Amino acid sequence: NAGVMQNPRHLVRRRGQEARLRCSPMKGHSHVYWYRQLPEEGLKFMVYLQKENIIDESGMPKERFSAEFPKEGPSILRIQQVVRGDSAAYFCASSPDRALDGYTFGSGTRLTVV
Amino acid sequence: GQQLNQSPQSMFIQEGEDVSMNCTSSSIFNTWLWYKQDPGEGPVLLIALYKAGELTSNGRLTAQFGITRKDSFLNISASIPSDVGIYFCAGWGSQGNLIFGKGTKLSVKP
Repeated sequence: NAGVMQNPRHLVRRRGQEARLRCSPMKGHSHVYWYRQLPEEGLKFMVYLQKENIIDESGMPKERFSAEFPKEGPSILRIQQVVRGDSAAYFCASSPDRALDGYTFGSGTRLTVV
Repeated sequence: GQQLNQSPQSMFIQEGEDVSMNCTSSSIFNTWLWYKQDPGEGPVLLIALYKAGELTSNGRLTAQFGITRKDSFLNISASIPSDVGIYFCAGWGSQGNLIFGKGTKLSVKP
């Protein structure tokens, strides 16, 4: 039973390019959460999705960032026109329902913008 | 917004020593959690606390949920080298997301 799978583990993008981060939740989990961690900081909530729906995007920057969790396939966090300040570790978590039981984090994608 | 203040920021201890770290909040949380993060990995849940005043143990780890629901502490007894890492407290927020402190970085000298 694989855990939460995130890829790529490391991503380097030049300023102005697009970054696409993928998250496959644990089997049987239909709730996905994205968090961002800046160096020397704790994780900050970005967005909460269920299949085909965005439930809470209160932590998402208003521009350039978007997220989806389609009926088939992984959840995608997309960052358009990346800037140096987007460099961070992005973590995905999944859970079977909107509760803490089974809430599990992936190993993250480390985005570096050069 | 809800914020968690975690202290100390970092600790350097000898193997075998006990460790104590704490977390305070400007607002009430109904659930407190303690996570550990190893370099290059995601956070892993150590202990979850659901009731004010609750004291819970997990091996050498003990955590308490403060009576006011605005604080929590984590103790590690008889530290070993593999305890090295960053420890985060987190509260289960009003919108169903986790709110994290900034972490306590633990270094253990053999």
